Amino acid sequence: GAGVSQSPSNKVTEKGKDVELRCDPISGHTALYWYRQSLGQGLEFLIYFQGNSAPDKSGLPSDRFSAERTGGSVSTLTIQRTQQEDSAVYLCASRPYLTGGQREQYFGPGTRLTVT
Amino acid sequence: QKEVEQDPGPLSVPEGAIVSLNCTYSNSAFQYFMWYRQYSRKGPELLMYTYSSGNKEDGRFTAQVDKSSKYISLFIRDSQPSDSATYLCAMSPDLNTGFQKLVFGTGTRLLVSP
Repeated sequence: GAGVSQSPSNKVTEKGKDVELRCDPISGHTALYWYRQSLGQGLEFLIYFQGNSAPDKSGLPSDRFSAERTGGSVSTLTIQRTQQEDSAVYLCASRPYLTGGQREQYFGPGTRLTVT
Repeated sequence: QKEVEQDPGPLSVPEGAIVSLNCTYSNSAFQYFMWYRQYSRKGPELLMYTYSSGNKEDGRFTAQVDKSSKYISLFIRDSQPSDSATYLCAMSPDLNTGFQKLVFGTGTRLLVSP
């Protein structure tokens, strides 16, 4: 079946511009995560959505970052007034909402953002 | 100090070698330990998962957890060029809640030459 998809795959933008990154999770997966992967920094958690619950935004680095998830499916990560330090690969992951034991997070291929 | 430390590499080995990849961590609450493999320009994919201390084997891969030393390892036997990728360790204190927040290492880049 289809995996997690993200668009665009690459985005080059000028400093100060706003960008929107899109994630289409696996159908039926109610949990959705956004991560940022910078060189030498590993995966940094940004935000978590679960169904209709309020998202966990504890990883967002500044108020320039926001995300929404419409209809419990597609999610959009928005970065306002982009800065050069925002350049990174932004990864989305989804998984079924089940408690107890390990539940694999399925990752998309990521969006490579370059701020010039 | 980061919660999870991982040598970024690159680690270069000849085909057929035994590879050892390692992570150390500082949070004693971590109980769930995972290894993800990430090929270039792809998202990470789960390779191995272990709970608490002990070993787990899956084909050519063995994951070890030593909670007393806060040290985890992934061994790859008979390494193949197709194993060339970045390997990320990830850990969590509790997967019994819906959130299942994972803390990742920086990843070790492995290169297996034919």
